[in-house]
Amino acid sequence: DQQVKQNSPSLSVQEGRISILNCDYTNSMFDYFLWYKKYPAEGPTFLISISSIKDKNEDGRFTVFLNKSAKHLSLHIVPSQPGDSAVYFCAALSGGNAGNMLTFGGGTRLMVKP
Amino acid sequence: DAMVIQNPRYQVTQFGKPVTLSCSQTLNHNVMYWYQQKSSQAPKLLFHYYDKDFNNEADTPDNFQSRRPNTSFCFLDIRSPGLGDAAMYLCATSNRDRDLATQHFGDGTRLSIL
Repeated sequence: DQQVKQNSPSLSVQEGRISILNCDYTNSMFDYFLWYKKYPAEGPTFLISISSIKDKNEDGRFTVFLNKSAKHLSLHIVPSQPGDSAVYFCAALSGGNAGNMLTFGGGTRLMVKP
Repeated sequence: DAMVIQNPRYQVTQFGKPVTLSCSQTLNHNVMYWYQQKSSQAPKLLFHYYDKDFNNEADTPDNFQSRRPNTSFCFLDIRSPGLGDAAMYLCATSNRDRDLATQHFGDGTRLSIL
């Protein structure tokens, strides 16, 4: 039973355009969401996060939107660059966990074409 | 640079032969995690330590054990690896007292079983 789902396994975007990566969750106890980026042969690196008390968080070219009623979040990258080509994982956290256990989605492979 | 280091990056072992993967961190984080990631799947949490308190996920096979002799090091022992244990193993850390949610990952150890 996947509590965090990324329904698009891959996405291809032209350089300079917007990339939109989507993530859906089922557990209403999740109250903090993170996006990680992973290059081949490297571990995931933290990209951006959002608390459930917000609906938007922006950091440079990256913006995360949260729609709590729809249990949906999205990551927007604009403008997309070839160096953004990687696998992006959405992750969710529920409050009160002693060990901050993240539940990950299955990832979306983003390819940005020059 | 403070970081999470996993050794070795690639490990090959024989079916049934015990293997140990190691993780060290210079971040002085109090929580350490081990994840298993199979191709095109979400990282799956195996266990985590909050300081020396060990927490096992309910569905982590008995075959998998972990040790954390001090803050900096954590080991994953697989007692009798089966073919199904071939995967990428990711170590991560977080600081429960400061940044609750963000986990910092190592580059992983890819385990192959012959």
